Amino acid sequence: EAGVAQSPRYKIIEKRQSVAFWCNPISGHATLYWYQQILGQGPKLLIQFQNNGVVDDSQLPKDRFSAERLKGVDSTLKIQPAKLEDSAVYLCASSLVGQTMNTEAFFGQGTRLTVV
Amino acid sequence: GIQVEQSPPDLILQEGANSTLRCNFSDSVNNLQWFHQNPWGQLINLFYIPSGTKQNGRLSATTVATERYSLLYISSSQTTDSGVYFCAASYSGGGADGLTFGKGTHLIIQP
Repeated sequence: EAGVAQSPRYKIIEKRQSVAFWCNPISGHATLYWYQQILGQGPKLLIQFQNNGVVDDSQLPKDRFSAERLKGVDSTLKIQPAKLEDSAVYLCASSLVGQTMNTEAFFGQGTRLTVV
Repeated sequence: GIQVEQSPPDLILQEGANSTLRCNFSDSVNNLQWFHQNPWGQLINLFYIPSGTKQNGRLSATTVATERYSLLYISSSQTTDSGVYFCAASYSGGGADGLTFGKGTHLIIQP
């Protein structure tokens, strides 16, 4: 079974530029999450989707971050404009179901973003 | 929201030693997972263990939900066990269930 796919693996941009990350979850997984992991810290949830609807975006900096999951499968996370403090690894995860039942979450390899 | 605390923050052991990593959480949970983050940043699932005990080879884990802690045991450590171990927890009552992570335990196994 294929795992969670993310691209690109690495990205270097200048501050104030925009960037987008892509995620394809495990086939059949209804719930998709984006996390931000700053060096030396644990991952922090940014947004959770259930199919193509947003369940939780309380920790998403909405002035510069946006995310979508239009067809309930792939998802894109965008940052515009980027700041130096956005340098981090962006991790996508998926689980089989959400909301009424917790199940195990599986993570992709992440996208390492460096803002210079 | 849920608070997750891990201890110790750092642990250095010789190959062959045993270790115990602890995770305390502040509220009731119905999802608790242990991960190993390898040097390339990949989070490897070790255990999904909201309660009870599980074993997988040299690794085992126990979660005592009523006392709000979980333990990860590593026996006969190998150098490949080195890395950061994360505990993460959540509670879903019909809404958001994103995991809250601890700060991790950085384990170094010396040959």
